[in-house]
Amino acid sequence: TQLLEQSPQFLSIQEGENLTVYCNSSSVFSSLQWYRQEPGEGPVLLVTVVTGGEVKKLKRLTFQFGDARKDSSLHITAAQPGDTGLYLCAGGSNYKLTFGKGTLLTVNP
Amino acid sequence: NAGVTQTPKFQVLKTGQSMTLQCAQDMNHNSMYWYRQDPGMGLRLIYYSASEGTTDKGEVPNGYNVSRLNKREFSLRLESAAPSQTSVYFCASRPTGPGEKLFFGSGTQLSVL
Repeated sequence: TQLLEQSPQFLSIQEGENLTVYCNSSSVFSSLQWYRQEPGEGPVLLVTVVTGGEVKKLKRLTFQFGDARKDSSLHITAAQPGDTGLYLCAGGSNYKLTFGKGTLLTVNP
Repeated sequence: NAGVTQTPKFQVLKTGQSMTLQCAQDMNHNSMYWYRQDPGMGLRLIYYSASEGTTDKGEVPNGYNVSRLNKREFSLRLESAAPSQTSVYFCASRPTGPGEKLFFGSGTQLSVL
């Protein structure tokens, strides 16, 4: 089983601050995905990164895939209360996706 | 757009009771999945079905069985529920191909007393 470790597990910040969360593995992944989950709902895909070194931007969110395709990071600029949620990274084969344990982000007004 | 529909949304069982969680998707996806989510544990794969007619074990299959009834439906059965199976269960579907995203249902919150 390919393991994905996410850090930090919990993060509580004030509105307007920047933050970075990490997703690390000893395994190489063909692609990594980031999902966001709100209470009472299933996770929703934010982005898929495929190429080593790739950087993708989604408004205030910047996703990076490590050169060796073993790790990824999510950076949020000027966090807003609407960014509050559980951020999960996922990777794996065509059929099996393994999830990290997630980073629970709280952005306080 | 229904997407992935799970029923029931909430369920309380006594230890030893059985039940089936239902899942249906209307996106013509080949692959379907059952995950469980526990506090601090993220999402753990129970079983998956890469295509109609096939099922395979995930990370935590013990105590569960699945049936891929047709392309649309994938059910999860607890034959003899245990308190350790108290969790939130998510069904998901996915088109075939690398990098394709999972589409999740809204979950079933199950408590086993």
